[in-house]
Amino acid sequence: TQLLEQSPQFLSIQEGENLTVYCNSSSVFSSLQWYRQEPGEGPVLLVTVVTGGEVKKLKRLTFQFGDARKDSSLHITAAQPGDTGLYLCAVYNFNKFYFGSGTKLNVKP
Amino acid sequence: EAGVAQSPRYKIIEKRQSVAFWCNPISGHATLYWYQQILGQGPKLLIQFQNNGVVDDSQLPKDRFSAERLKGVDSTLKIQPAKLEDSAVYLCASRLQGTGNTIYFGEGSWLTVV
Repeated sequence: TQLLEQSPQFLSIQEGENLTVYCNSSSVFSSLQWYRQEPGEGPVLLVTVVTGGEVKKLKRLTFQFGDARKDSSLHITAAQPGDTGLYLCAVYNFNKFYFGSGTKLNVKP
Repeated sequence: EAGVAQSPRYKIIEKRQSVAFWCNPISGHATLYWYQQILGQGPKLLIQFQNNGVVDDSQLPKDRFSAERLKGVDSTLKIQPAKLEDSAVYLCASRLQGTGNTIYFGEGSWLTVV
């Protein structure tokens, strides 16, 4: 079983729409990270959330860490084609990084 | 500051052939990781080095995969003999001790086994 479950697995939307992707676990974590991986590139860190209930904003992206620190969400407002990519959540646990399976987002112009 | 360098970027080989990937981490980063990422999935850790020592290689298929980081700087990952299911992106990443939980990835080496 995966430590981190991401949903949805795939998402195809029109430019300008809003969307939310989720990262869930049955375990509690001290922090959680979100990465974006564009086609042909390695993952790039977007944000790290640390405190339960924490909300962080990065332009049109809003990240939230669950109160119990078991889950997280990423909301994108008015998506643009440049947001296309694979969104991965990850945790650092017992000296290892674990990644979810990702949400593949395609934003059509 | 230079990022994590990987080569080659792309490689196509036939099954049962061998291949080697090279990684040069960010200068001063003691921890180096090799991940395998199958298309559409998240990265899976193959091996983790701390300087030139192996911290975790529990998911490395040791019958065909090997990796080394002899001088604690750059690293090579070798596959011999390759199987069709080894087709994936091989990502190298590094982390600086004491900087929290941030790792930096290279662009990856894309392997196709035919």
